[in-house]
Amino acid sequence: AQTVTQSQPEMSVQEAETVTLSCTYDTSENNYYLFWYKQPPSRQMILVIRQEAYKQQNATENRFSVNFQKAAKSFSLKISDSQLGDTAMYFCAFLLGGSEKLVFGKGTKLTVNP
Amino acid sequence: GAGVSQSPSNKVTEKGKDVELRCDPISGHTALYWYRQSLGQGLEFLIYFQGNSAPDKSGLPSDRFSAERTGGSVSTLTIQRTQQEDSAVYLCASSLVQGLRYNEQFFGPGTRLTVL
Repeated sequence: AQTVTQSQPEMSVQEAETVTLSCTYDTSENNYYLFWYKQPPSRQMILVIRQEAYKQQNATENRFSVNFQKAAKSFSLKISDSQLGDTAMYFCAFLLGGSEKLVFGKGTKLTVNP
Repeated sequence: GAGVSQSPSNKVTEKGKDVELRCDPISGHTALYWYRQSLGQGLEFLIYFQGNSAPDKSGLPSDRFSAERTGGSVSTLTIQRTQQEDSAVYLCASSLVQGLRYNEQFFGPGTRLTVL
């Protein structure tokens, strides 16, 4: 079974600075996808960024980028120029190719301080 | 367009009572998912519906939990004889299955269930 581990329960960063959230996963498969979701206090899960395992190039979405290390099974999220609106829970998730079941880590609570 | 909606937003019930949680997926989405988010935990898969196929119930924690999807649209998650450990946020998601490599899931705001 696949597992996702987020080792940082809480993190904080000053506005405009950069922060990196860690995620590791365990799988013996080669075809899979990785995601970072943001969950603000409204509880709505919002997809931040995704990475296909077969792509070597790290995904980027504006201020959000990932460092995907396939051999190390690591998938960290970097948030640049942090904004107050980035304050939220961040979940790393794994999806096996052909499956519909997302497997989530326990989340990291990020607080951006003014 | 409208996103996934869930009702009620919050539900408080007494131990032993039955509850029903509702999910309205995005119009046209053929797949629907239920997840449970317990305090301090990530989301846990419960059940998945796709079109007219038999649902994947592999994540349901006990036979007190059941779900149905009527007319390929609205879904109801029912928890019978609720227990305190059922207290959690129940999240619904939907996706448009297009035969792509993967189908992005769009989430609703969830229902927070509290069992006293």
